[in-house]
Amino acid sequence: AQTVTQSQPEMSVQEAETVTLSCTYDTSESNYYLFWYKQPPSRQMILVIRQEAYKQQNATENRFSVNFQKAAKSFSLKISDSQLGDTAMYFCAFMKQNSGNTPLVFGKGTRLSVIA
Amino acid sequence: DTEVTQTPKHLVMGMTNKKSLKCEQHMGHRAMYWYKQKAKKPPELMFVYSYEKLSINESVPSRFSPECPNSSLLNLHLHALQPEDSALYLCASSRDRGYQPQHFGDGTRLSIL
Repeated sequence: AQTVTQSQPEMSVQEAETVTLSCTYDTSESNYYLFWYKQPPSRQMILVIRQEAYKQQNATENRFSVNFQKAAKSFSLKISDSQLGDTAMYFCAFMKQNSGNTPLVFGKGTRLSVIA
Repeated sequence: DTEVTQTPKHLVMGMTNKKSLKCEQHMGHRAMYWYKQKAKKPPELMFVYSYEKLSINESVPSRFSPECPNSSLLNLHLHALQPEDSALYLCASSRDRGYQPQHFGDGTRLSIL
């Protein structure tokens, strides 16, 4: 079975600063996908960024980037130029490669507060 | 705006009531999911439908009954729920071929009296 660990229950960052959220996972699979989802108080789960395990290049989406270390099974999220709207719960998630409809395995989440 | 629409947004019901949660998507996705999320916890998978057929049931009590009438619609029928069933119920969808991320709705916040 796969597990996802987020070791930081809560974090805070000043507006315009950079913050890194950590995520580690455990799996025996060699082909899989990793995601970061954001859940603001409005409660919708929003996909922030995704990474295919077979790709060595780290994914980036505007101010969001990941540091994917496959050997270490680490998948951290860096948020640059933090904005007040980034305040949310962030979930790291794992999905093994399959033909489809494979469930997501979530970490316990990190609550991020961006302070003005 | 979310591409996965869930109704109602809030629901309060007694333990003897029967109600249904609805989820709709028009993205052509063929996999649909129900998750249950308690406060400050990650979502927990309940059911997965693939091409309108139930493919995963994570040992959910029978008081939760899913239904997928067509490729765009997913229902969750509720009956004789317990107070511990109070939670946010999230619906998600994804293409059922290869690698595609899941898209989530806003959820229904359910309170059992």
